Amino acid sequence: LAKTTQPISMDSYEGQEVNITCSHNNIATNDYITWYQQFPSQGPRFIIQGYKTKVTNEVASLFIPADRKSSTLSLPRVSLSDTAVYYCLVDGGYNKLIFGAGTRLAVHP
Amino acid sequence: NAGVTQTPKFRVLKTGQSMTLLCAQDMNHEYMYWYRQDPGMGLRLIHYSVGEGTTAKGEVPDGYNVSRLKKQNFLLGLESAAPSQTSVYFCASNRLAGKSSYNEQFFGPGTRLTVL
Repeated sequence: LAKTTQPISMDSYEGQEVNITCSHNNIATNDYITWYQQFPSQGPRFIIQGYKTKVTNEVASLFIPADRKSSTLSLPRVSLSDTAVYYCLVDGGYNKLIFGAGTRLAVHP
Repeated sequence: NAGVTQTPKFRVLKTGQSMTLLCAQDMNHEYMYWYRQDPGMGLRLIHYSVGEGTTAKGEVPDGYNVSRLKKQNFLLGLESAAPSQTSVYFCASNRLAGKSSYNEQFFGPGTRLTVL
């Protein structure tokens, strides 16, 4: 099973762009890369998923290089409400979701 | 739609007691999951189900049992609670997705369980 590595914590300020990089060296051919967000006392919430190149939605962008051994979640112009834990997962199906410790993002005024 | 709901929200047990956590979803999802989350850690998969009447073990299944008698409900049971099972339990569900489709899981609000 592919394991992911991401920074334990990051700090940013309101209005800045935040990039969180995740390493997944053992990703399998059929695995998708998925990011979830979790606020305190809540369940995780899906943010974005991709297989290769770039994916963008109304919340974030996901950049995946050709070798797929890493990915970068980009949050444009963060606000205080983006303070949360962000999890990077490789998703190969219902029995292969592995959540690491995630990245604790703190956004400051 | 209520999405994924969990009952109860909080519970305190004594060592050796038993209890059942109920998860319900109204999205007609095929897949359902139970996770536990310990302080400062990510979620770990306990058991999952790919459809009514089927269950399978996840990463940390010991000490837990599950049942999926109805498609919309997934029950997690603790037969003899231990302090090591003090945790926050999350239920999740998702639809059956093909290999070319994304696999967004929808999570419930969690159940905070303390075993004394």
